[in-house]
Amino acid sequence: GESVGLHLPTLSVQEGDNSIINCAYSNSASDYFIWYKQESGKGPQFIIDIRSNMDKRQGQRVTVLLNKTVKHLSLQIAATQPGDSAVYFCAENIAGNQFYFGTGTSLTVIP
Amino acid sequence: DSGVTQTPKHLITATGQRVTLRCSPRSGDLSVYWYQQSLDQGLQFLIQYYNGEERAKGNILERFSAQQFPDLHSELNLSSLELGDSALYFCASSGTLGQPYGYTFGSGTRLTVV
Repeated sequence: GESVGLHLPTLSVQEGDNSIINCAYSNSASDYFIWYKQESGKGPQFIIDIRSNMDKRQGQRVTVLLNKTVKHLSLQIAATQPGDSAVYFCAENIAGNQFYFGTGTSLTVIP
Repeated sequence: DSGVTQTPKHLITATGQRVTLRCSPRSGDLSVYWYQQSLDQGLQFLIQYYNGEERAKGNILERFSAQQFPDLHSELNLSSLELGDSALYFCASSGTLGQPYGYTFGSGTRLTVV
């Protein structure tokens, strides 16, 4: 299967600071990526996506950066809030097939 | 509510038993995916169905099977259960095959094997 890994399994940030969550993917043929947020007791929830023909995509308080040269994704969360505490997964997709997910990074926001 | 419904939410059963997990996809979605999430693990892809037919298999054990019915709901059958099968099982659905605009996940079924 595919290998999607995360550099840091846990991350703690102060409320109001910016958060950066990193993800490495292994398949250079992956052409679509999604970041998911999973809160305790819930299923993963779509945050933001990016296609391989883009380097950056912005949403509301979130930005995803894609570096295809080093096969790296990052999720930036601006002005992190307590409600952002969750596990974040990146997922990669190749040509419309199933997604492969990483282990996840647990983000804790300190009030 | 994501629109993907999974039942039951919790299931406790003994080793050696068989259970069936059910998933109703979001209205209009033809693809159903099953994932297993063990403690401190990522989401492991098990199997995908599209409009009633199996499309892809991942790390699914031979003791596990699934199917998608004409009304598009799907069931995941887990048999000869072992302690290591304890996990969260998620179902996700998506629309048109080949257009992976993200999955919509259900809330999962937490299976505990004792």
